[in-house]
Amino acid sequence: QVQLQESGPGLVKPSETLSLTCTVSGGSVSSGSAYWSWIRQPPGKGLEWIGYIYYTGSTTYNPSLKSRVTISVDTSKNQFSLKVRSVTAADTAVYFCARAPYATCFDSWGQGTLVTVSS
Amino acid sequence: EIVLTQSPGTLSLSPGERATLSCRASQSVSSSYLAWYQQKPGQAPRLLISGASSRATGIPDRFSGSGSGTDFTLTISRLEPEDLAVYYCHQYGNSSVTFGQGTRLEIK
Repeated sequence: QVQLQESGPGLVKPSETLSLTCTVSGGSVSSGSAYWSWIRQPPGKGLEWIGYIYYTGSTTYNPSLKSRVTISVDTSKNQFSLKVRSVTAADTAVYFCARAPYATCFDSWGQGTLVTVSS
Repeated sequence: EIVLTQSPGTLSLSPGERATLSCRASQSVSSSYLAWYQQKPGQAPRLLISGASSRATGIPDRFSGSGSGTDFTLTISRLEPEDLAVYYCHQYGNSSVTFGQGTRLEIK
């Protein structure tokens, strides 16, 4: 059974870059059927999809975040990563990584990590 | 972008009752690419239903999904106290994925 675990700083200053990594165990990011995704949830609010990556490096992003976001994959480490540039308080959220077979539903999730944007 | 609107915002029911949660899309969701998730307090969402009506592995048959086009429903029969959660619908029918705003289910 695949497991995902987010890691990264819990506090980021405004205007800086938020960086998170998701480590996959019990499965391979190079699986031909899986797309790997980031989703976030501001405190007390709903879910917002950030984007997908395929093991080849092909990405699809939420249009509302596309200008500030980069998702990358490192198959040698079985990890994928998220960078959000020029963050503001509105980027404060729990960030989840998840697996989406064939870019469909999200069938496996990490536990989530809270990132707070504050000086 | 397809906007998903869930109703009601909050549902308060007693154990043993049936819950009916609605998800309406602003345009047709192709090939019923609609999923439902359960999120309990402090936890990650858990996949309940994919393809509008297919239960995910390990999900009890009390949970069922139906609908097509723009109108979808999640039904929970015989509510149990552990069903306390927020339920989200999600469409993945085009390249821009969206979620509904959620329905909070309270158990009296």
